[in-house]
Amino acid sequence: KAGVTQTPRYLIKTRGQQVTLSCSPISGHRSVSWYQQTPGQGLQFLFEYFSETQRNKGNFPGRFSGRQFSNSRSEMNVSTLELGDSALYLCASSRGGGYTFGSGTRLTVV
Amino acid sequence: QKEVEQDPGPLSVPEGAIVSLNCTYSNSAFQYFMWYRQYSRKGPELLMYTYSSGNKEDGRFTAQVDKSSKYISLFIRDSQPSDSATYLCAMSEDSGGGADGLTFGKGTHLIIQP
Repeated sequence: KAGVTQTPRYLIKTRGQQVTLSCSPISGHRSVSWYQQTPGQGLQFLFEYFSETQRNKGNFPGRFSGRQFSNSRSEMNVSTLELGDSALYLCASSRGGGYTFGSGTRLTVV
Repeated sequence: QKEVEQDPGPLSVPEGAIVSLNCTYSNSAFQYFMWYRQYSRKGPELLMYTYSSGNKEDGRFTAQVDKSSKYISLFIRDSQPSDSATYLCAMSEDSGGGADGLTFGKGTHLIIQP
């Protein structure tokens, strides 16, 4: 079966711009979570959506936002990009019993 | 404080050796424990998922959880060069991730020498 699909794989953006990342979960998985991975901080939780509702949110500024659609696909948006937002952004889906991650979107802010 | 400690390595062992990877944590509310493997430029891949204390075996992998000591381990038997990767432990208060999602260790970089 198809895994978690994230698009695009790579992005280069300029400071101050905004960006939207997309995630298609495994079919039947209604929970979608987003994580930021950097060499210094490791994986950090951004937020989780379940049935189109944000269920939990990590300790990130309001510039980071997301949404989930009725087909469980999810998007995350980062506005007013900063150099420190450069990271691998990972999406994970679950039906209970552990999360399956996508390959991530590598965002570089210049 | 929901901190998870994990030795970053690198840990280098010869092919065929038994590998032991460990994490310690401080939050006694953690109930669900996971091990992920991450290859370069890939997302983490779930290897083991356990609930509460005890052992779980899957092929060459064995996960152990000791909640009284707040200590979890992953053992890899008959290690192969293809096992070379970064291994991440993760944990949560409930099966749905909980209010803070999964809390990850920083990962241990493992190198299996042919």
